[in-house]
Amino acid sequence: ETGVTQSPTHLIKTRGQQVTLRCSSQSGHNTVSWYQQALGQGPQFIFQYYREEENGRGNFPPRFSGLQFPNYSSELNVNALELDDSALYLCASSLGLATYNEQFFGPGTRLTVL
Amino acid sequence: GQQVMQIPQYQHVQEGEDFTTYCNSSTTLSNIQWYKQRPGGHPVFLIQLVKSGEVKKQKRLTFQFGEAKKNSSLHITATQTTDVGTYFCAGKAGTALIFGKGTTLSVSS
Repeated sequence: ETGVTQSPTHLIKTRGQQVTLRCSSQSGHNTVSWYQQALGQGPQFIFQYYREEENGRGNFPPRFSGLQFPNYSSELNVNALELDDSALYLCASSLGLATYNEQFFGPGTRLTVL
Repeated sequence: GQQVMQIPQYQHVQEGEDFTTYCNSSTTLSNIQWYKQRPGGHPVFLIQLVKSGEVKKQKRLTFQFGEAKKNSSLHITATQTTDVGTYFCAGKAGTALIFGKGTTLSVSS
C-alpha cells in the first residue's frame, strides 16, 4: 500500500509569484484535503476535494485554488504569493466523506516566500 | 466559527513522569481525533473518539471524550523520550477538520 506523497519537498518563491504543489493520495482514497501549517500552529483547513469536485473550503482567499484528477491525485495552486503564505502545506487523503474517516497525511511541502 | 483550544502549549517532563494535554471545543463535536507530529514530521493519526464519555487506551496513552462531547484529554503514563512531539486534537466541522494549536511535549532523560 502506497502512502500519501507530496512534491516538491521544499520550495522557495518570491512575492507575487505563483506556485503549484502536488499530492498523490493513498491507494484507494478518493478524498483529498489540503492544510496550511504555519510555524508553531496547528494545520488549518484550506479545502477538500472529493471525486474531482471541491467539497468544502476554509477561510482562505480565492488565490488559493485546487484540482483533483481522475486518479484522485491533487494540486494546490497559490497565486500572487504573499510573505504570510510561507508555511508547511499538507495534504491528507481519506476514503469517502464520512465524518468518522481517518485522514492520512503526506510529508508536506515547505514553502518559503521571500 | 468553531474553535478548538488546547492547553498547555508546552510541557517539559522528566522521563518517567506523566503528561496530560487538554482539548476544548466551542461547540459540541460529533467526534474528536488525536494526532502526533514529531519534530520536522507530519501529523500521524493516533485515535478517534466518538461516544460521549468514551475512554480508549493505547499502551501508555489514555484518551477521554467528555460527557458533553466538547472536551477531550490525552494522558501519557511514564513518558519516554520517544513520546517527544506535538500532540494535536481535531474536531470535525462540516467537511473541515479543525485542529487545536497543539501541545508540544519535551522529555529529558
